[in-house]
Amino acid sequence: DGGITQSPKYLFRKEGQNVTLSCEQNLNHDAMYWYRQDPGQGLRLIYYSQIVNDFQKGDIAEGYSVSREKKESFPLTVTSAQKNPTAFYLCASSPGARIGNEKLFFGSGTQLSVL
Amino acid sequence: GQQLNQSPQSMFIQEGEDVSMNCTSSSIFNTWLWYKQDPGEGPVLLIALYKAGELTSNGRLTAQFGITRKDSFLNISASIPSDVGIYFCAGHNDMRFGAGTRLTVKP
Repeated sequence: DGGITQSPKYLFRKEGQNVTLSCEQNLNHDAMYWYRQDPGQGLRLIYYSQIVNDFQKGDIAEGYSVSREKKESFPLTVTSAQKNPTAFYLCASSPGARIGNEKLFFGSGTQLSVL
Repeated sequence: GQQLNQSPQSMFIQEGEDVSMNCTSSSIFNTWLWYKQDPGEGPVLLIALYKAGELTSNGRLTAQFGITRKDSFLNISASIPSDVGIYFCAGHNDMRFGAGTRLTVKP
């Protein structure tokens, strides 16, 4: 089945530790995105990538890093510089940034908690 | 990014009632998108709107693209318990979302 897969579903981070959240899609989409969702809140854009080997900061990129070495993969690293990392992280993809191609397809999310 | 204001923030309704929510923007959009998020899951696209004045339905859901291109409305008719969730609006080429409307349906 085509789709977007996030793993793990639940992740725990110790103080001072970097953790990486996985996001893989087999939809052949060009664009991929990472959002953060805090309890009872909306979605805030962390990073996005419209093409392989290129990515842009979103509204809350500090303390996060990404890579886009392959079209189907867009991992997010939550670094120790992110002081409040506990949140629900959502990865999404879209065919591209042209009109008609901007519908986002989301993964089922990763809940990150700090120990 | 552009400012998206969604209202109401939350709604508590009885099963069978109709629901209306809206989204306004500080800037003009070329496209409006409405998504629904079930608890613990990612949002799923409900309706996409591409033209000012456009009215589009998807089952019991109807959405409209405002004439000014700065707003959009989502209506749900005859609500059922599985309509529970958070409804988000989003704009084209901005990839920012409104804060969401949290819907609770009492059986």
